Amino acid sequence: DAGVTQSPTHLIKTRGQHVTLRCSPISGHKSVSWYQQVLGQGPQFIFQYYEKEERGRGNFPDRFSARQFPNYSSELNVNALLLGDSALYLCASSLAMTGGHSNQPQHFGDGTRLSIL
Amino acid sequence: AQTVTQSQPEMSVQEAETVTLSCTYDTSESDYYLFWYKQPPSRQMILVIRQEAYKQQNATENRFSVNFQKAAKSFSLKISDSQLGDAAMYFCAYRSRGADGLTFGKGTHLIIQP
Repeated sequence: DAGVTQSPTHLIKTRGQHVTLRCSPISGHKSVSWYQQVLGQGPQFIFQYYEKEERGRGNFPDRFSARQFPNYSSELNVNALLLGDSALYLCASSLAMTGGHSNQPQHFGDGTRLSIL
Repeated sequence: AQTVTQSQPEMSVQEAETVTLSCTYDTSESDYYLFWYKQPPSRQMILVIRQEAYKQQNATENRFSVNFQKAAKSFSLKISDSQLGDAAMYFCAYRSRGADGLTFGKGTHLIIQP
């Protein structure tokens, strides 16, 4: 079975531009989370979506937004890009949630490397 | 907010030896999950082992085991019979039962000496 797939693998943008990153979860997984990993640091939680609704949000500005589609794939959008947005963006999926929250581990994709010039 | 601390930026071990990676966390919650993830240069984050806080028994997965000390808020990872393929960044992560986002430490770079 295919794992979590993310596209594109690499992306170069300039300050002020907008970017859309895409993620397809493992088949059967309905929960998708997004993380930002700056070089030399651990990933930081951005969003979690389940059944097309936002279920969790990290400490990121409103320039960051996301959505989940009926097939459970997801997009992360970042507006007005800053140099500090340069990072590896990771998507993770997990099985259905029970009682509103998942007790299943998250499985990660290979990430999208975003560079801002 | 929860925090996760990995105090060892880098560790080195001889192949076939045993190494222990440290992790401490801060939380006021009583029910949560703890994880160790491995991130090789290929950058995919791979789940190594997980522990549920309400379980007293330490989790084991083949050569990987944890020492979970709930009162001390400590969650160390022991890798036995280290192999060259174990070389990677290792991240400790925390998740509340009532949330889905993981809180990660800064990671430990594990080097395996042949």
